[in-house]
Amino acid sequence: GAVVSQHPSWVICKSGTSVKIECRSLDFQATTMFWYRQFPKQSLMLMATSNEGSKATYEQGVEKDKFLINHASLTLSTLTVTSAHPEDSSFYICSARGPAGDYNEQFFGPGTRLTVL
Amino acid sequence: GQNIDQPTEMTATEGAIVQINCTYQTSGFNGLFWYQQHAGEAPTFLSYNVLDGLEEKGRFSSFLSRSKGYSYLLLKELQMKDSASYLCAVLDSNYQLIWGAGTKLIIKP
Repeated sequence: GAVVSQHPSWVICKSGTSVKIECRSLDFQATTMFWYRQFPKQSLMLMATSNEGSKATYEQGVEKDKFLINHASLTLSTLTVTSAHPEDSSFYICSARGPAGDYNEQFFGPGTRLTVL
Repeated sequence: GQNIDQPTEMTATEGAIVQINCTYQTSGFNGLFWYQQHAGEAPTFLSYNVLDGLEEKGRFSSFLSRSKGYSYLLLKELQMKDSASYLCAVLDSNYQLIWGAGTKLIIKP
C-alpha cells in the first residue's frame, strides 16, 4: 500500500519555540493531505486540510496563525507549530489521500509526539 | 450536526468473538472506514464499506446498513495483539472523514 512518512517521530522543545513537522508521501502523489491532533485517550481531531499549491482549510477553533501549514509539492506538507506552549503537547498525525482507486482511503503517517516543556 | 457513536470500551476473551458497533448521522455518505490504532501509533486501515452488506477479510469482517446508519466490526478468534482502539469513520458528502471517538478493546487471556 501507499506509504506516508513523518519527521520527526518525537520532539521535545521549550515553551515559546517553533516546531516544524514534515509529512511525505513516499510512493505516490498526494494532492490532499490532512493534519490531525490526538490527545491521550481521545479520538483524532482534524486540524486542517492541505491542498497542494493552495492555502490550507482549517477546522473551526484551530488557529491558522499558530499552526502554519505549507503544501509546496505533491509529496510534502509541513506543519509548523509557532510559539509552542505546554497545551500544544499532543500526538500530531498526518494523512494523505491515496492515489485514485476504488475508494478514498487515507494513508496515515506514523505520527509525531510533541512535548512542550 | 454530524455524529458518530461507538462504545467507549469493550472487554473480550482471547479466542472469542467480539462485535463493535458504530452508528452515524452525517451530511451525505461516501463510505465507512474502520481503523485500528494501537497506543502511541497512527491508525491503520482495516476495512471500507460503501454498499450494504458484509465484507469479510480474514478474522475481521465489517457490516454496513445505510438505511439504518449502522455498521459493525466483527473480530473472530481474538488474539492478545488485537488489544487496541478501533475507530469508525464516515466519509461525508464533501469527502471529509468524520471520526468516532474510538472503542478501546481489551483482550483478556
